[in-house]
Amino acid sequence: GENVEQHPSTLSVQEGDSAVIKCTYSDSASNYFPWYKQELGKRPQLIIDIRSNVGEKKDQRIAVTLNKTAKHFSLHITETQPEDSAVYFCAAEPVSGGYNKLIFGAGTRLAVHP
Amino acid sequence: DVKVTQSSRYLVKRTGEKVFLECVQDMDHENMFWYRQDPGLGLRLIYFSYDVKMKEKGDIPEGYSVSREKKERFSLILESASTNQTSMYLCASSLEGDSNYGYTFGSGTRLTVV
Repeated sequence: GENVEQHPSTLSVQEGDSAVIKCTYSDSASNYFPWYKQELGKRPQLIIDIRSNVGEKKDQRIAVTLNKTAKHFSLHITETQPEDSAVYFCAAEPVSGGYNKLIFGAGTRLAVHP
Repeated sequence: DVKVTQSSRYLVKRTGEKVFLECVQDMDHENMFWYRQDPGLGLRLIYFSYDVKMKEKGDIPEGYSVSREKKERFSLILESASTNQTSMYLCASSLEGDSNYGYTFGSGTRLTVV
C-alpha cells in the first residue's frame, strides 16, 4: 500500500524567512496530494492541494511542487509569519482502494520566531 | 458553521470498557473516515465508510469497529479499551467523486484510557 514520508519533523525559522517541507510517496499511481495545517488545539484544515497532472500550484505565500518521476512533493512558505506556526501534514491519495482515502505523513512542526 | 461534529472533546475511560466515539456531518458527504493522531506518527487510518452500512478497514483496524446506520453519522467503537488506545481521534468526511476535494475534519476527541 501507499506510504508517505515527511521531513523534517520539526522546523524553526525566523519571521520573514522561507520554509520548505518535503514528502515522498511510494505508490506511483497516486494522483492527489493535499497539505493540511493544524494549529494548536484545532482541527486540520486544507491549505493547498495539487493533482498529478500539474507540476506546481501557488496561493499567495504558499506553493506546492510535485515531481512525479521522483515521487516527491514539497510545500513552500515564503515570508513566514508567526501565525504560520503549526503542524503541517502532507497526504497522498492512492488510486487503489478508491473512496478518496488519504494516507498522511507524520507531520512537521513549524515554529516561526518573531 | 461547524460541519463535522465529534460528540466529545475529552473522554476518560477505564481499561476494558466499551467506548463509543460519535461523528456527525451535515454536508451530505458519502465518505467518512476515522483516524488516530499520535505524536511522530501523524494520522493513521482506522476505518472508513463510503455509504450507509458499508465499511472498509484502514491501516490499523485492530481493536476497533465502526457503525454507519445513517449517512450523516459514523461511529467508532472500541470493543474493550486498552491503554495503547489512548490517543486523539479525528473524524473526517469527503464528497465522493472522480476528483478528491479534500477532507473536512472534526475537532477531535482526546481519549485517555486508564
